[in-house]
Amino acid sequence: AQSVTQPDIHITVSEGASLELRCNYSYGATPYLFWYVQSPGQGLQLLLKYFSGDTLVQGIKGFEAEFKRSQSSFNLRKPSVHWSDAAEYFCAVGARSGNQFYFGTGTSLTVIP
Amino acid sequence: GAVVSQHPSWVICKSGTSVKIECRSLDFQATTMFWYRQFPKQSLMLMATSNEGSKATYEQGVEKDKFLINHASLTLSTLTVTSAHPEDSSFYICSAPGTSGGYNEQFFGPGTRLTVL
Repeated sequence: AQSVTQPDIHITVSEGASLELRCNYSYGATPYLFWYVQSPGQGLQLLLKYFSGDTLVQGIKGFEAEFKRSQSSFNLRKPSVHWSDAAEYFCAVGARSGNQFYFGTGTSLTVIP
Repeated sequence: GAVVSQHPSWVICKSGTSVKIECRSLDFQATTMFWYRQFPKQSLMLMATSNEGSKATYEQGVEKDKFLINHASLTLSTLTVTSAHPEDSSFYICSAPGTSGGYNEQFFGPGTRLTVL
């Protein structure tokens, strides 16, 4: 069965520190992979996506993610976190057909000064 | 790029009334659209798949008589919450599949916050 796991429900980091949010997936084939961010009361904003090719993808706001097929992972990273990065982060996998989409449970990020 | 809009962005209604939420694909056509529900501090839960020209497909546990879905055209799907109650208060998000750079992906609307008093 298809599933997306974000093991960390909540993470707290200091401003300026590095960040890594974990995402593992279970999918029958190689899926398309996405990371979204959601600020309180807001909709989803796409941070980055992986379809094929280079397994290290760059996104907006200084985020990057690396697809590791052997580990079925797509972890999100940022070298230096800003206070404005505090939000909920969702990893998602999508079928290549575009008609199936699965979200992880989300990771809540708190940034302390 | 592919843009999906939702209207209204927020709505407050009295218990027992019905509320309609619109989801539009602005610059592309979508024969299928998806409706999600999100409770506070939780992930998005797929409620149903809206199909143009045919009945919607509901996920297990979602009351089809409570959440009426109509896919009126290739650019519009509506979700009507009938006889709304406070427990229906939630954030509703729609999405439509489209293409970006030759790849298929979902494009999400900005969401509609429903508060039932």
